[in-house]
Amino acid sequence: EAQVTQNPRYLITVTGKKLTVTCSQNMNHEYMSWYRQDPGLGLRQIYYSMNVEVTDKGDVPEGYKVSRKEKRNFPLILESPSPNQTSLYFCASSPPRGVSYNSPLHFGNGTRLTVT
Amino acid sequence: GQQLNQSPQSMFIQEGEDVSMNCTSSSIFNTWLWYKQEPGEGPVLLIALYKAGELTSNGRLTAQFGITRKDSFLNISASIPSDVGIYFCAGQLRNNDMRFGAGTRLTVKP
Repeated sequence: EAQVTQNPRYLITVTGKKLTVTCSQNMNHEYMSWYRQDPGLGLRQIYYSMNVEVTDKGDVPEGYKVSRKEKRNFPLILESPSPNQTSLYFCASSPPRGVSYNSPLHFGNGTRLTVT
Repeated sequence: GQQLNQSPQSMFIQEGEDVSMNCTSSSIFNTWLWYKQEPGEGPVLLIALYKAGELTSNGRLTAQFGITRKDSFLNISASIPSDVGIYFCAGQLRNNDMRFGAGTRLTVKP
């Protein structure tokens, strides 16, 4: 089954304790992206990656890092989490535009992070 | 980044009623998409629109890509309880970059 898999689904941590949220897709998609969802703000892009070893900042990159060492995986790293990073996080992937017009994003089921 | 203004923020309707929501932007997008999110899940694509003026249906859902490429609407006809969820509009740029509206939370009363 084609899917985007995030882990963990739920995470409670304390300020300053480094954490990683994993994201993996099995659709051979080049494009991957991380979003955070907050009430009243919709989905805001944190980082995205057009392909392996290519990453770029989105709208709200502060406090986050990513890596794209292989096509299927795109982990989100919080080196020193703070309470304002408490949010619902989504990973998404898609083929690159130009291969097909049908390249909307496929989303994972989300990771709810609480930083105390 | 480009901002999308989605309205209304929430809707409370009776089963069987029609629903309409829309998104506007000050920027031009190449593609407009509508997603639905149910509790505990990620957004799922409902309709994708690729040409200005395009009108597309998916069952009881109808969406249009505005002529100016700066707006889109989604209509749901004859709503049912399983239509409950948060609906997001999204505008996509050439590099796959995507911007989302803040969402419309739909509640359907049986």
